[in-house]
Amino acid sequence: DAKTTQPNSMESNEEEPVHLPCNHSTISGTDYIHWYRQLPSQGPEYVIHGLTSNVNNRMASLAIAEDRKSSTLILHRATLRDAAVYYCILRVSTGRRALTFGSGTRLQVQP
Amino acid sequence: GAGVSQSPSNKVTEKGKDVELRCDPISGHTALYWYRQSLGQGLEFLIYFQGNSAPDKSGLPSDRFSAERTGGSVSTLTIQRTQQEDSAVYLCASSLAAGEVREQYFGPGTRLTVT
Repeated sequence: DAKTTQPNSMESNEEEPVHLPCNHSTISGTDYIHWYRQLPSQGPEYVIHGLTSNVNNRMASLAIAEDRKSSTLILHRATLRDAAVYYCILRVSTGRRALTFGSGTRLQVQP
Repeated sequence: GAGVSQSPSNKVTEKGKDVELRCDPISGHTALYWYRQSLGQGLEFLIYFQGNSAPDKSGLPSDRFSAERTGGSVSTLTIQRTQQEDSAVYLCASSLAAGEVREQYFGPGTRLTVT
């Protein structure tokens, strides 16, 4: 599976936008980019996914680079509840269907 | 609607005992996954079921681990002769179908402690 690289941790202030980067330079043409997050003491939660175009949903936006070698998860206004570990995951179109989690980015949100 | 549920939420067992962990997926979800998360570690895939197909057991760490899914719904993960290194949070997830675009919905996990 193609690998993703994320910063270990990031900090943000409440009500400010947060840009969480992810590098995936070995991504293949059919790999989807998924983001999950894990709040403390909870199971992971789906956030958003995309293939080539930027995507928006009620939780976040996903900006995908034109060459698809990187992407950015955007939280438009961080809240304290957004403090979590954020995982960028590539889902291959064939083979194993399970998610391969890396170490993710731990986001801290300051009031 | 109801999400994925798991039971028990916590389990403490003695080394060498067998344990069974249960997962109730979201109704109608044909794909079911088991993962585990050791303290301070990332999530590790264990096994996945898709409909009536043979399960993908490629993530099971040893033959002490097994899982079954009865009637395409409830799943049980069994760990025989537990060892201290089995201590972890065991997470179950389900999705409408297996596939690269289907989001997985996770349960709250079972925290297993082997003493």
